[in-house]
Amino acid sequence: DAKTTQPPSMDCAEGRAANLPCNHSTISGNEYVYWYRQIHSQGPQYIIHGLKNNETNEMASLIITEDRKSSTLILPHATLRDTAVYYCIVRSDNTDKLIFGTGTRLQVFP
Amino acid sequence: SAVISQKPSRDICQRGTSLTIQCQVDSQVTMMFWYRQQPGQSLTLIATANQGSEATYESGFVIDKFPISRPNLTFSTLTVSNMSPEDSSIYLCSVEEVYEQYFGPGTRLTVT
Repeated sequence: DAKTTQPPSMDCAEGRAANLPCNHSTISGNEYVYWYRQIHSQGPQYIIHGLKNNETNEMASLIITEDRKSSTLILPHATLRDTAVYYCIVRSDNTDKLIFGTGTRLQVFP
Repeated sequence: SAVISQKPSRDICQRGTSLTIQCQVDSQVTMMFWYRQQPGQSLTLIATANQGSEATYESGFVIDKFPISRPNLTFSTLTVSNMSPEDSSIYLCSVEEVYEQYFGPGTRLTVT
């Protein structure tokens, strides 16, 4: 599976949009981009995933560049409860394994 | 969505002993996964457990150290054998449903 690169930490003001970038320049055509988050002392939680089209659900939006070498997770109105470590994971469609990188620690402040 | 419980939630063990962690899911699932999260670190996949077959271990993890059982489609155990302080971690199980993985709350293990 392709490797991902994320900034180690980011801050965001409550109520503002949080934009979390992820670089996956070696992604292959059959690899999806997944996002999970881990709130302190809990197991990771699925957020969203996509292949090449932008995706939106009740939690977030996922914007994937046309060349698929990078993506951005957008939390449109961050709240204090969104403070967590966010993991961007590239996963092939022929595997069930998730390989976690180091993630981005997002701190939402009042 | 799958609901996963783990027992124990935490334990403090002496070096050289073994601990068996249980993972129970509220639905039948084909594949279960075991992860380790060392203090301040990301999650590392230990092994994948299919019902009715031997678990598949990731590089750096061996069956003698982390034996896994998968007796049915809703249950699995992970044993941490002959523990040392370096085994102090959170151990999590997870299951896959459709395209999402659901994680248990984890077992926090401290080895003294």
